[in-house]
Amino acid sequence: AQSVAQPEDQVNVAEGNPLTVKCTYSVSGNPYLFWYVQYPNRGLQFLLKYITGDNLVKGSYGFEAEFNKSQTSFHLKKPSALVSDSALYFCAVRYNTDKLIFGTGTRLQVFP
Amino acid sequence: DSGVTQTPKHLITATGQRVTLRCSPRSGDLSVYWYQQSLDQGLQFLIQYYNGEERAKGNILERFSAQQFPDLHSELNLSSLELGDSALYFCASRATGSQNTEAFFGQGTRLTVV
Repeated sequence: AQSVAQPEDQVNVAEGNPLTVKCTYSVSGNPYLFWYVQYPNRGLQFLLKYITGDNLVKGSYGFEAEFNKSQTSFHLKKPSALVSDSALYFCAVRYNTDKLIFGTGTRLQVFP
Repeated sequence: DSGVTQTPKHLITATGQRVTLRCSPRSGDLSVYWYQQSLDQGLQFLIQYYNGEERAKGNILERFSAQQFPDLHSELNLSSLELGDSALYFCASRATGSQNTEAFFGQGTRLTVV
């Protein structure tokens, strides 16, 4: 069965520093991978997705993600974190199904 | 604004009661998904409808049911409510035709069972 793992419950980073939020997936073929962000008391907002092609995907708000097939990972990155990036981030996978399976989420805290 | 509308935003009800959550998808989206977000279980997929028909089922309790109407809006019915049903319920919609399109989420309905 397809699954997604986000190994860190929380990531802390200082404003201006680069950030990485980790995601690994488990499917037997080529998945579609997504990142969403959830701000307090809000719904999930789509950030970016990997379908095929270039392993580095650029998305909204300066975020990017790197797809690594050999490591089955899809880590979310940003070169310079902002306090306003503090939120809950979800990685998700879809493979051979309409269902979008989410990881457990990682809380990003950016300190001034 | 994602274009997906959920009502009501908040709902407080007693154990044993029944409630209905409503979702209007983005214009033209045929697929509607329901998710439950609770503190201890993250985002759980409940059920998906496509153009009025059930397409996929997840961890949905028998006390819960859903439907999608001809105008494509969807309703999630929760009955015999228990304290543990307290959660955020999200609806999402997606343009179909390919698995690589993203889903857009509503702002959720926060259900509190007392």
